[in-house]
Order: sequence, then structure tokens, then C-alpha cells
Amino acid sequence: AQSVAQPEDQVNVAEGNPLTVKCTYSVSGNPYLFWYVQYPNRGLQFLLKYITGDNLVKGSYGFEAEFNKSQTSFHLKKPSALVSDSALYFCAVDGSGGYNKLIFGAGTRLAVHP
Amino acid sequence: EAGVVQSPRYKIIEKKQPVAFWCNPISGHNTLYWYRQNLGQGPELLIRYENEEAVDDSQLPKDRFSAERLKGVDSTLKIQPAELGDSAVYLCASSFLAGVNEQFFGPGTRLTVL
Repeated sequence: AQSVAQPEDQVNVAEGNPLTVKCTYSVSGNPYLFWYVQYPNRGLQFLLKYITGDNLVKGSYGFEAEFNKSQTSFHLKKPSALVSDSALYFCAVDGSGGYNKLIFGAGTRLAVHP
Repeated sequence: EAGVVQSPRYKIIEKKQPVAFWCNPISGHNTLYWYRQNLGQGPELLIRYENEEAVDDSQLPKDRFSAERLKGVDSTLKIQPAELGDSAVYLCASSFLAGVNEQFFGPGTRLTVL
């Protein structure tokens, strides 16, 4: 069965420090992976996706994610965190082989402290 | 460009009452999705439309939930009768065609069933 795990409910980081939000997945076939961010009272916003090619994917707002096939991981990273990055982050996998049927993880709350 | 519009933003009803949610996708997006997001969890797909056709409703509880997308634009999701366990945020999203494209989410409707 297709699934996504986000092992951390919350990640705390100081402003200016690098951040990592972890995601592991289980899918049959080629993995199509996504990160979305959810700010309070707003809809989810797309950050980046991995389809194929370079394992390091760059996205919006300075975020990037590294696809690791052997570890079945797709961790979200940013070199220098901002207070405004504080939000709820969701990892998702397309479990339908390219038909955009997303399976989301439970989410990780990122708190960036001044 | 206007984003995905949903109404109402909040709805409080008593159990056994009917309720309906409305969604207007981004202009030109022919794929529309309804998700349910329970507290502390990621969104779960309920139904996906390609134009006016429901191509994936495998996770829609058909005994009480129904949806329609007349003319392939706006969509309505209905619950009748509502149960306590239906309390959640109902999200609408749209994308341009199927395939591995980013989905654009509306702000959601927060339903509370008393």
C-alpha cells in the first residue's frame, strides 16, 4: 500500500539556522513526491515536486528537497530559516502512477524562533 | 489570477442535518478534487473530477456523501445526513489536466457537527 510518514510532529529551529523536515514514503512503481505548506486559515500551497532526474529539487521560497531512493526519503531543507517559514508542512506521494492521486503525510509543524 | 474559491468558510450544524459545500476552481483547470482533512492529519481524497466526470470516487462514503460538477466548472459536495464524525475541514483543489501537476487548494470549509 502507498503511504507517507512524517516522523516528527514538530520541528523547532532558530532563525538563520538550517532546517530539515523529514519524509519517508512507500510506493510501488516510480515515486512522484511533493511538498506542500499550509499557513493558518489558508489553503495548502505547492512548494516543490520530484518526478525524475536530479535528486536535489529546488522549489519556492528557498526550499529544496533531496530524493533518496535507497532510503525511500524525500526530506525538505532550507539553508537559513526565517520566522515567516513557521507553518505546517505536508509531504505527499502520488499513489496512482501519475494520475495525481495524492496521499499525504500527517504533517510537521515547523516553528522558527527569532 | 483568482485562486480556488470555497464557501462557506465555516459551518456549524446539528447531527442528522444536511450540509453543502461549494467550490469554484481556477479558470481553465479541468481537474477538480475534494479532500477531507481531519484534525492533526493530512488531507484525504474524497473524489476527483475530470471535467464533469467523476473519475475516482472510491473513497467517497456514498451512503451519505454526494458530489456534482455540472458543466465541468463549479462543484458542490453534499452530506446528508451529517454525523458527528464528519466534523473536519473540507478542501477543494484544482489542477490543469491530470498527470503530475501541482494542485491549487482553496482555503477550505470548516464543518462542525454538534
